[in-house]
Amino acid sequence: KQEVTQIPAALSVPEGENLVLNCSFTDSAIYNLQWFRQDPGKGLTSLLLIQSSQREQTSGRLNASLDKSSGRSTLYIAASQPGDSATYLCAVISMLTFGGGTRVLVKP
Amino acid sequence: GAGVSQTPSNKVTEKGKYVELRCDPISGHTALYWYRQSLGQGPEFLIYFQGTGAADDSGLPNDRFFAVRPEGSVSTLKIQRTERGDSAVYLCASSLSPNSPLHFGNGTRLTVT
Repeated sequence: KQEVTQIPAALSVPEGENLVLNCSFTDSAIYNLQWFRQDPGKGLTSLLLIQSSQREQTSGRLNASLDKSSGRSTLYIAASQPGDSATYLCAVISMLTFGGGTRVLVKP
Repeated sequence: GAGVSQTPSNKVTEKGKYVELRCDPISGHTALYWYRQSLGQGPEFLIYFQGTGAADDSGLPNDRFFAVRPEGSVSTLKIQRTERGDSAVYLCASSLSPNSPLHFGNGTRLTVT
């Protein structure tokens, strides 16, 4: 059974610092992995989807990497802003499994 | 519609009552998913439809939970004899096809008193 873990559960950084969010999965036979952002009381907003054949995917200040052999994906957010404060979730879509999320606070 | 729509946005019900939660997926999306999310946790998979059929219902916690998608578009999640432990946000997502990016609605917050 696939297990997805996100550590740390919470993270606080000063504005302008780069964010590094980790996602680990136990079964490397994944098809793809998707990163989401969730604001309080809201649904999930898709950020990036990375296919198993890709090593990384970029969108603006966001970059997601995938290393299937080590069972890890990392989401980098460059030059963080207070508006980046939210919970970030990763999901192994093909296995319908989400991590518990990392709650991020960017302090002005 | 432009996105996934879930109704109602909030539902308060008494223990033992029956509830129905509705999900309108993005037009043309063949895959539809139901998840449940408790405070401070990631979404927990409930059931996945491909077209009209439930392709995977292994996440439904017990036989009080049932979902349908009779015409391959709108889906209804039905919960019988609700319990206080059913209180959570119920999220619906759709995708163009299996393994395509998921698009989520804003969820239905269910409170069982």
